[in-house]
Amino acid sequence: DAMVIQNPRYQVTQFGKPVTLSCSQTLNHNVMYWYQQKSSQAPKLLFHYYDKDFNNEADTPDNFQSRRPNTSFCFLDIRSPGLGDAAMYLCATSSPRTGGDEQYFGPGTRLTVT
Amino acid sequence: GENVEQHPSTLSVQEGDSAVIKCTYSDSASNYFPWYKQELGKGPQLIIDIRSNVGEKKDQRIAVTLNKTAKHFSLHITETQPEDSAVYFCAASKNTNAGKSTFGDGTTLTVKP
Repeated sequence: DAMVIQNPRYQVTQFGKPVTLSCSQTLNHNVMYWYQQKSSQAPKLLFHYYDKDFNNEADTPDNFQSRRPNTSFCFLDIRSPGLGDAAMYLCATSSPRTGGDEQYFGPGTRLTVT
Repeated sequence: GENVEQHPSTLSVQEGDSAVIKCTYSDSASNYFPWYKQELGKGPQLIIDIRSNVGEKKDQRIAVTLNKTAKHFSLHITETQPEDSAVYFCAASKNTNAGKSTFGDGTTLTVKP
């Protein structure tokens, strides 16, 4: 049973056209993360929510925003996608408050920018 | 901040042989060290982890060792099979950091039949 679900799995958007990627989880974990992963590279953390608290990484461009309306859902908004934003976007969850340090990743959304 | 170095970047072994991937970390406060396996087109999946109060952990063909003094940890896969072919990432984190992990750059393991 899928525990971290990402939709869509593949997304094509035009240069400059806003796009939203979604993530949902059935684990009731309090932390949700968004990573960007380019080919043959490690996942790069963009930001994370610890409960409702938003934590942005220092080098995450302003073009990337996130929303977490409730525990189960988290969205990644790319306001004006550029060609360099084409990548796999991974959502993950964890529950450090209950001692669960491991991260559970979703299958990812492959974003193509044309 | 934490810095994790992973070696080698690529590793090719014959089916049945062992594979070893090594990582070093810089922050002595890190206390949790997971290993993730990422297959093509999928998200990373945890395969084994170790905490700083343990020196070794084994799960069937997979084992992880940790040397806190030297600040390095290793993944050992014995009796490799073609389905072990994937990219493997090590990571380091500390439980005071909201579960944020610093990842190594990954090792592409190819197991040849």
